Amino acid sequence: EIVMTQSPATLSVSPGESATLSCRTSQSVSNNLAWYQQKPGQAPRLLIYHASTRAAGIPGRFSGSGSGTEFTLTISSLQSEDFAVYYCQQYNDWPLMCSFGQGTKLEIK
Amino acid sequence: QVQLVQSGGEVKKPGASVKVSCKASGFTFTSFGISWVRQAPGQGLEWMGWISPYNGNTNYAQNLQGRVTMTTDTSTSTAHMELRSLRSDDTAVYYCAKPGRGYYEIWGQGTLVTVSS
Repeated sequence: EIVMTQSPATLSVSPGESATLSCRTSQSVSNNLAWYQQKPGQAPRLLIYHASTRAAGIPGRFSGSGSGTEFTLTISSLQSEDFAVYYCQQYNDWPLMCSFGQGTKLEIK
Repeated sequence: QVQLVQSGGEVKKPGASVKVSCKASGFTFTSFGISWVRQAPGQGLEWMGWISPYNGNTNYAQNLQGRVTMTTDTSTSTAHMELRSLRSDDTAVYYCAKPGRGYYEIWGQGTLVTVSS
Protein backbone atom coordinates (compact mmCIF):
# COMPACT_ATOMS: atom_id res chain seq x y z
CA GLU A 1 0.00 0.00 0.00
CA ILE A 2 1.29 3.45 -0.93
CA VAL A 3 1.41 5.79 2.06
CA MET A 4 0.80 9.49 1.47
CA THR A 5 2.31 12.18 3.67
CA GLN A 6 1.25 15.81 3.37
CA SER A 7 3.06 18.66 5.04
CA PRO A 8 2.55 20.83 6.86
CA ALA A 9 -0.67 19.82 8.60
CA THR A 10 -1.61 23.49 8.93
CA LEU A 11 -0.23 26.45 7.01
CA SER A 12 -0.92 30.05 8.01
CA VAL A 13 -0.48 32.57 5.20
CA SER A 14 -1.63 36.14 4.63
CA PRO A 15 -3.89 37.01 1.68
CA GLY A 16 -1.87 38.09 -1.33
CA GLU A 17 1.08 35.90 -0.41
CA SER A 18 1.96 32.50 -1.84
CA ALA A 19 1.51 29.08 -0.26
CA THR A 20 3.47 25.91 -0.95
CA LEU A 21 1.98 22.57 0.05
CA SER A 22 3.87 19.28 -0.11
CA CYS A 23 2.85 15.69 -0.71
CA ARG A 24 5.18 12.73 -0.49
CA THR A 25 4.44 9.14 -1.48
CA SER A 26 6.13 6.05 -0.01
CA GLN A 27 6.93 4.75 -3.48
CA SER A 28 6.99 6.22 -6.95
CA VAL A 29 3.62 7.04 -8.51
CA SER A 30 5.14 8.61 -11.64
CA ASN A 31 2.92 11.64 -12.33
CA ASN A 32 -0.30 9.92 -11.23
CA LEU A 33 -1.12 12.48 -8.58
CA ALA A 34 -4.04 14.87 -8.12
CA TRP A 35 -4.81 17.76 -5.79
CA TYR A 36 -8.22 18.69 -4.38
CA GLN A 37 -9.61 21.62 -2.45
CA GLN A 38 -12.34 21.08 0.15
CA LYS A 39 -14.32 23.73 1.98
CA PRO A 40 -16.50 23.01 5.03
CA GLY A 41 -19.71 21.22 4.14
CA GLN A 42 -18.70 20.77 0.52
CA ALA A 43 -17.44 17.91 -1.62
CA PRO A 44 -13.81 18.00 -2.73
CA ARG A 45 -13.05 19.94 -5.91
CA LEU A 46 -10.44 18.74 -8.39
CA LEU A 47 -7.67 21.29 -8.90
CA ILE A 48 -4.75 19.46 -10.52
CA TYR A 49 -4.29 16.06 -12.14
CA HIS A 50 -1.32 14.26 -13.68
CA ALA A 51 0.72 16.25 -11.11
CA SER A 52 0.69 19.51 -13.06
CA THR A 53 -2.41 19.79 -15.29
CA ARG A 54 -5.02 22.24 -14.08
CA ALA A 55 -8.60 20.98 -14.15
CA ALA A 56 -11.22 22.86 -16.12
CA GLY A 57 -12.08 26.23 -14.64
CA ILE A 58 -9.23 26.32 -12.12
CA PRO A 59 -7.48 29.71 -11.91
CA GLY A 60 -3.90 30.04 -13.07
CA ARG A 61 -2.68 30.89 -9.56
CA PHE A 62 -2.89 27.17 -8.77
CA SER A 63 0.06 25.15 -10.04
CA GLY A 64 1.35 21.66 -9.41
CA SER A 65 4.76 20.14 -9.87
CA GLY A 66 6.77 17.04 -9.12
CA SER A 67 7.01 13.40 -10.11
CA GLY A 68 8.02 10.14 -8.57
CA THR A 69 7.59 10.59 -4.82
CA GLU A 70 7.73 14.35 -4.23
CA PHE A 71 4.96 16.74 -5.26
CA THR A 72 4.10 20.38 -4.62
CA LEU A 73 0.98 22.49 -4.95
CA THR A 74 1.69 26.20 -5.16
CA ILE A 75 -0.99 28.83 -4.78
CA SER A 76 0.19 32.30 -5.68
CA SER A 77 -1.44 35.57 -4.64
CA LEU A 78 -3.82 33.92 -2.17
CA GLN A 79 -7.43 35.01 -2.33
CA SER A 80 -9.92 34.77 0.55
CA GLU A 81 -11.71 31.88 -1.17
CA ASP A 82 -8.50 29.81 -1.27
CA PHE A 83 -8.44 29.18 2.47
CA ALA A 84 -9.56 25.57 2.75
CA VAL A 85 -8.23 22.05 3.23
CA TYR A 86 -6.14 20.56 0.43
CA TYR A 87 -5.71 16.86 -0.27
CA CYS A 88 -3.38 15.01 -2.58
CA GLN A 89 -4.38 11.68 -4.13
CA GLN A 90 -2.27 9.07 -5.89
CA TYR A 91 -3.90 6.89 -8.54
CA ASN A 92 -0.92 4.93 -9.83
CA ASP A 93 -2.70 1.60 -9.35
CA TRP A 94 -6.22 2.77 -10.17
CA PRO A 95 -8.73 1.20 -10.47
CA LEU A 96 -7.27 -1.47 -8.19
CA MET A 97 -6.84 1.10 -5.48
CA CYS A 98 -5.84 4.65 -4.75
CA SER A 99 -5.18 6.71 -1.66
CA PHE A 100 -5.40 10.22 -0.26
CA GLY A 101 -3.10 12.22 1.93
CA GLN A 102 -4.31 13.36 5.32
CA GLY A 103 -4.76 16.94 4.18
CA THR A 104 -3.22 20.38 4.74
CA LYS A 105 -5.37 23.09 6.23
CA LEU A 106 -4.56 26.48 4.72
CA GLU A 107 -5.65 29.20 7.11
CA ILE A 108 -5.57 32.96 7.14
CA LYS A 109 -2.65 34.46 9.05
CA GLN B 1 -25.07 19.21 -16.98
CA VAL B 2 -22.71 16.60 -15.61
CA GLN B 3 -23.74 15.69 -12.09
CA LEU B 4 -24.08 13.01 -9.46
CA VAL B 5 -27.03 13.24 -7.09
CA GLN B 6 -26.98 11.10 -3.97
CA SER B 7 -29.71 9.82 -1.70
CA GLY B 8 -30.48 11.44 1.64
CA GLY B 9 -28.91 10.98 5.04
CA GLU B 10 -29.41 7.85 7.08
CA VAL B 11 -29.34 6.95 10.77
CA LYS B 12 -28.60 3.32 11.54
CA LYS B 13 -27.99 1.20 14.59
CA PRO B 14 -24.77 -0.76 15.06
CA GLY B 15 -24.90 -4.06 13.20
CA ALA B 16 -27.38 -2.81 10.61
CA SER B 17 -26.79 -2.19 6.90
CA VAL B 18 -27.07 0.95 4.82
CA LYS B 19 -27.46 1.42 1.07
CA VAL B 20 -26.58 4.75 -0.52
CA SER B 21 -27.50 5.59 -4.10
CA CYS B 22 -25.91 7.92 -6.64
CA LYS B 23 -27.73 8.93 -9.81
CA ALA B 24 -25.62 10.09 -12.73
CA SER B 25 -26.61 12.45 -15.50
CA GLY B 26 -24.94 14.37 -18.30
CA PHE B 27 -22.28 11.79 -19.16
CA THR B 28 -21.86 8.22 -20.35
CA PHE B 29 -22.45 6.22 -17.21
CA THR B 30 -20.53 3.18 -18.42
CA SER B 31 -17.29 5.11 -19.04
CA PHE B 32 -14.64 4.95 -16.29
CA GLY B 33 -17.04 3.75 -13.65
CA ILE B 34 -17.97 5.16 -10.26
CA SER B 35 -15.95 5.29 -7.07
CA TRP B 36 -17.00 5.74 -3.46
CA VAL B 37 -15.04 7.81 -0.96
CA ARG B 38 -15.95 8.46 2.66
CA GLN B 39 -14.98 11.07 5.20
CA ALA B 40 -15.45 10.62 8.93
CA PRO B 41 -16.24 13.78 10.92
CA GLY B 42 -13.21 16.07 11.00
CA GLN B 43 -11.09 13.51 9.19
CA GLY B 44 -9.57 13.02 5.75
CA LEU B 45 -10.78 11.22 2.65
CA GLU B 46 -10.83 7.42 2.49
CA TRP B 47 -11.15 5.57 -0.82
CA MET B 48 -13.66 2.74 -0.55
CA GLY B 49 -13.66 1.21 -4.00
CA TRP B 50 -14.68 1.36 -7.63
CA ILE B 51 -17.19 -0.29 -9.91
CA SER B 52 -17.41 -0.51 -13.66
CA PRO B 53 -21.02 -0.19 -14.85
CA TYR B 54 -19.80 -1.59 -18.16
CA ASN B 55 -19.08 -5.10 -16.86
CA GLY B 56 -19.77 -4.99 -13.12
CA ASN B 57 -16.12 -5.38 -12.14
CA THR B 58 -15.36 -4.11 -8.66
CA ASN B 59 -12.30 -3.28 -6.58
CA TYR B 60 -12.71 -2.66 -2.86
CA ALA B 61 -10.41 -1.21 -0.23
CA GLN B 62 -8.84 -4.05 1.70
CA ASN B 63 -10.16 -2.87 5.07
CA LEU B 64 -13.76 -3.00 3.78
CA GLN B 65 -13.60 -6.34 1.98
CA GLY B 66 -16.50 -8.54 3.05
CA ARG B 67 -18.63 -5.65 4.35
CA VAL B 68 -19.11 -3.51 1.25
CA THR B 69 -20.89 -4.21 -2.03
CA MET B 70 -21.05 -1.79 -4.94
CA THR B 71 -23.60 -2.26 -7.71
CA THR B 72 -24.96 -0.31 -10.65
CA ASP B 73 -28.23 -0.13 -12.56
CA THR B 74 -27.39 0.97 -16.09
CA SER B 75 -31.09 1.37 -16.97
CA THR B 76 -31.31 4.28 -14.51
CA SER B 77 -27.62 5.34 -14.48
CA THR B 78 -27.56 4.78 -10.74
CA ALA B 79 -24.78 3.38 -8.57
CA HIS B 80 -25.37 1.88 -5.14
CA MET B 81 -23.06 1.25 -2.20
CA GLU B 82 -24.16 -1.10 0.57
CA LEU B 83 -22.20 -1.31 3.81
CA ARG B 84 -23.08 -4.05 6.29
CA SER B 85 -22.38 -4.76 9.96
CA LEU B 86 -22.19 -1.04 10.66
CA ARG B 87 -20.04 0.23 13.52
CA SER B 88 -19.80 3.63 15.12
CA ASP B 89 -16.60 4.36 13.20
CA ASP B 90 -18.54 3.98 9.94
CA THR B 91 -20.21 7.30 10.75
CA ALA B 92 -19.14 9.49 7.86
CA VAL B 93 -20.15 11.43 4.80
CA TYR B 94 -20.15 9.05 1.85
CA TYR B 95 -19.38 10.46 -1.59
CA CYS B 96 -19.72 8.93 -5.02
CA ALA B 97 -17.31 10.30 -7.61
CA LYS B 98 -16.79 10.02 -11.34
CA PRO B 99 -13.20 9.26 -12.23
CA GLY B 100 -11.27 10.59 -15.15
CA ARG B 101 -8.31 8.23 -15.45
CA GLY B 102 -7.93 7.74 -11.71
CA TYR B 103 -8.54 11.28 -10.53
CA TYR B 104 -12.05 12.43 -9.61
CA GLU B 105 -13.60 15.11 -11.77
CA ILE B 106 -17.16 15.06 -10.51
CA TRP B 107 -18.41 14.40 -6.99
CA GLY B 108 -21.84 13.82 -5.54
CA GLN B 109 -23.06 16.13 -2.81
CA GLY B 110 -22.39 13.54 -0.11
CA THR B 111 -24.63 11.45 2.12
CA LEU B 112 -24.24 11.52 5.89
CA VAL B 113 -24.56 8.09 7.47
CA THR B 114 -24.78 8.16 11.24
CA VAL B 115 -24.34 4.94 13.19
CA SER B 116 -25.65 5.25 16.72
CA SER B 117 -27.47 3.14 19.24
